[in-house]
Amino acid sequence: ILNVEQSPQSLHVQEGDSTNFTCSFPSSNFYALHWYRWETAKSPEALFVMTLNGDEKKKGRISATLNTKEGYSYLYIKGSQPEDSATYLCASDLRGAGKSTFGDGTTLTVKP
Amino acid sequence: SAVISQKPSRDICQRGTSLTIQCQVDSQVTMMFWYRQQPGQSLTLIATANQGSEATYESGFVIDKFPISRPNLTFSTLTVSNLSPEDSSIYLCSADSGVNEQFFGPGTRLTVL
Repeated sequence: ILNVEQSPQSLHVQEGDSTNFTCSFPSSNFYALHWYRWETAKSPEALFVMTLNGDEKKKGRISATLNTKEGYSYLYIKGSQPEDSATYLCASDLRGAGKSTFGDGTTLTVKP
Repeated sequence: SAVISQKPSRDICQRGTSLTIQCQVDSQVTMMFWYRQQPGQSLTLIATANQGSEATYESGFVIDKFPISRPNLTFSTLTVSNLSPEDSSIYLCSADSGVNEQFFGPGTRLTVL
């Protein structure tokens, strides 16, 4: 994997459903993996920054896991709510790069 | 955390003109960045705005097209020059918190006719 890839590109779920997305990133020279939530007309909001293999982070109903050896991270949302509707971006930092490389994002729509 | 504001929030410009976007941070930050998101694509880093020196541009971006100023530790501008419809994008500035976390402005939505 040379780029940061996210799947699926978009997702439509019903309120109350749980869902998850995938981010694949280069495992060589890994430094950090970021998840952001970007709502329309607002600033991207940082959700998690993860650095250690096996890291699991949680913020309310949202959690994320990290596997640096195989180069993937999962973002989970439990009991989706309409206010969770947004584009979820992941970004990978390589050691020494001093910058983040972003994936295309997963756009989540939660229907009431 | 840092609060970042951008001006303008959106603009519609004619082909061949230029647009300057301002980015203001509410605290001093070392690193500021400018990104572009073209329709249907990911956030792409244009350049790192360095205080007191020339910006560092990513591959595919040049100073003549995207001149950047960084006069102090709280402010930066990005100019998109000689606009064409392909420049229609959302432009975002961000600042590094210094603890491996970026804070973003709300973005500037540019439409070029």
